[in-house]
Amino acid sequence: QVQLEESGPGLVKPSETLSLTCAISGGSIFTTNWWSWIRQPPGKGLEWIGEIYHSESTKYNPSLKSRVTLSVDKSRNQFSLKLISVTAADTAVYFCARKRSGSYSYNWFDLWGQGTRVTVSS
Amino acid sequence: DIQMTQSPSSLSASVGDRVTITCRASQSINSYLNWYQQKPGKAPKILIYAASSLQSGVPSRFSGSGSGTDFTLTISSLQPEDLATYYCQQSSSTLALTFGGGTKVEIK
Repeated sequence: QVQLEESGPGLVKPSETLSLTCAISGGSIFTTNWWSWIRQPPGKGLEWIGEIYHSESTKYNPSLKSRVTLSVDKSRNQFSLKLISVTAADTAVYFCARKRSGSYSYNWFDLWGQGTRVTVSS
Repeated sequence: DIQMTQSPSSLSASVGDRVTITCRASQSINSYLNWYQQKPGKAPKILIYAASSLQSGVPSRFSGSGSGTDFTLTISSLQPEDLATYYCQQSSSTLALTFGGGTKVEIK
């Protein structure tokens, strides 16, 4: 059974860099799936941050593109998120997720990590 | 970006009621529409993909319909365990994937 688990600091200071990792267990990163990051500010809805393929191709939300970098570590079977110059508005639960593709290019998030809460505060 | 608008933002219904949630896209997304259920303190869970395909393991009381810009998630007979917030998400745009604002379902 494939599982995803996020890890990283729960507290980040304003203007610093938020770094999170998503470890994939029970399966390989070398699949036809894209691997995504999604966040949810307290009491609010879901925001897609971006996604990465094992070939290291990436897609980013235009609203965050200037501050986000996604990467993969194939040897460790994990992928990572870096978000620079954080502010209080970046406080959220961060989820990693697998985006599965079906026929006719349909795609959906079929597997999620449990989420990790990150607070931006001095 | 393609904007997704859900209505209502919240609803309260009794066990056994038929519940309908609507999602509208700001432009046509054909059938590139997914529905998720998020229970308090948990990660979202996929219910419906491609507008009307039921994810394996999801109870048959959940169904989805629609195409173009207007979509519906229906719970045919509300159960206590359906207490959750439901989100639609479009997967049509290759530039940005976007979610609706969510519909919180409460049990009377």
